[in-house]
Amino acid sequence: DAGITQSPRHKVTETGTPVTLRCHQTENHRYMYWYRQDPGHGLRLIHYSYGVKDTDKGEVSDGYSVSRSKTEDFLLTLESATSSQTSVYFCAISESQGDTEAFFGQGTRLTVV
Amino acid sequence: AQSVTQLGSHVSVSEGALVLLRCNYSSSVPPYLFWYVQYPNQGLQLLLKYTTGATLVKGINGFEAEFKKSETSFHLTKPSAHMSDAAEYFCAVSYTGRRALTFGSGTRLQVQP
Repeated sequence: DAGITQSPRHKVTETGTPVTLRCHQTENHRYMYWYRQDPGHGLRLIHYSYGVKDTDKGEVSDGYSVSRSKTEDFLLTLESATSSQTSVYFCAISESQGDTEAFFGQGTRLTVV
Repeated sequence: AQSVTQLGSHVSVSEGALVLLRCNYSSSVPPYLFWYVQYPNQGLQLLLKYTTGATLVKGINGFEAEFKKSETSFHLTKPSAHMSDAAEYFCAVSYTGRRALTFGSGTRLQVQP
């Protein structure tokens, strides 16, 4: 298995609080991604990174920010959590783009109450 | 905009029967196509991918998929279902120069004894 660790694995938080999810990789892959998984929607891209300090928005980026200060770490922050952000969040990594597959972490289940 | 459609959110087959999971994509440029599997409470695992060359692609666990350009399809098949195949399956697409995978909404496969 690709060396991807997500933390925490489960979190319950209150509406309006900030939340940070961490993704750590040991594969030295250039590209890192944050997806959210919701029933009936598959996986939707939140943000991605193509290098240290290089990030870009995905299709569902509102309410989320990211940071990548080191190759191995990619942080996802919910600035002020809302109930609509209750979801399972997956981090993924890939060596390159286009024809290269992505490898996924185990996911973080976030509940906003 | 590129997109992926998976027909059938739930598919049920008997053990030993043929498995057919459908995936269609919309694109004006040649795609790279992927199938992933997700077992309960786990991340996504790559089953197979098509990039170039042979249009019939064999993957892990006895699955295969055929890229049909004329039909814009990449259906996943397995001749004989096993109980352990019960999972959710996702089709995904990418393109040259595109930095992230776009996923379909998923198909949950149930295998009846």
